[in-house]
Amino acid sequence: NAGVTQTPKFQVLKTGQSMTLQCAQDMNHNSMYWYRQDPGMGLRLIYYSASEGTTDKGEVPNGYNVSRLNKREFSLRLESAAPSQTSVYFCASRGTGTHEQYFGPGTRLTVT
Amino acid sequence: AQSVTQLGSHVSVSEGALVLLRCNYSSSVPPYLFWYVQYPNQGLQLLLKYTSAATLVKGINGFEAEFKKSETSFHLTKPSAHMSDAAEYFCAVRDSGNTPLVFGKGTRLSVIA
Repeated sequence: NAGVTQTPKFQVLKTGQSMTLQCAQDMNHNSMYWYRQDPGMGLRLIYYSASEGTTDKGEVPNGYNVSRLNKREFSLRLESAAPSQTSVYFCASRGTGTHEQYFGPGTRLTVT
Repeated sequence: AQSVTQLGSHVSVSEGALVLLRCNYSSSVPPYLFWYVQYPNQGLQLLLKYTSAATLVKGINGFEAEFKKSETSFHLTKPSAHMSDAAEYFCAVRDSGNTPLVFGKGTRLSVIA
């Protein structure tokens, strides 16, 4: 059972480049989330999807877009990367009627 | 709006000593509360959760936390620290419905031999 998987694990971008972070879960969870983790800031919510076909902004959505492709997959896109988006990105999922979120291993993104 | 405050960004204890990591929350409704642990270069792993059942919650690796409504606290404790407990610990809160977890800024625990 793979749980939550994220690709890639590491990525280096130049300012202005675009990329998509991929996330997939195999637990049949309805809700999925994208967080970013920065030193001393904890985890901050970027976007979330309460169910297939819906997405909502979190605390720090600017500069990002998301797609809930199907129940399993939730991608995060940076259209024009900026150095301020250098961070570790975590995807998470939660099943309906449960309380905890399950996290992927993270993607470490550096924008130069 | 929900929020979490973790007192102390870094806590250092000796091996075998008591571990106490503090968490206070703000929520307008009875909350669900969580502690997660993050080992270096890894994702977050659930340590324990409070979901309105027993106020003293036991988790993995000998950790426990007590929900105190009057103090709006959910402090994490372990009687005897082990070197393998060195990690970053995050407290998180969620109210009802489909709301996402809101995290504190984290506390880095160091264990000294």
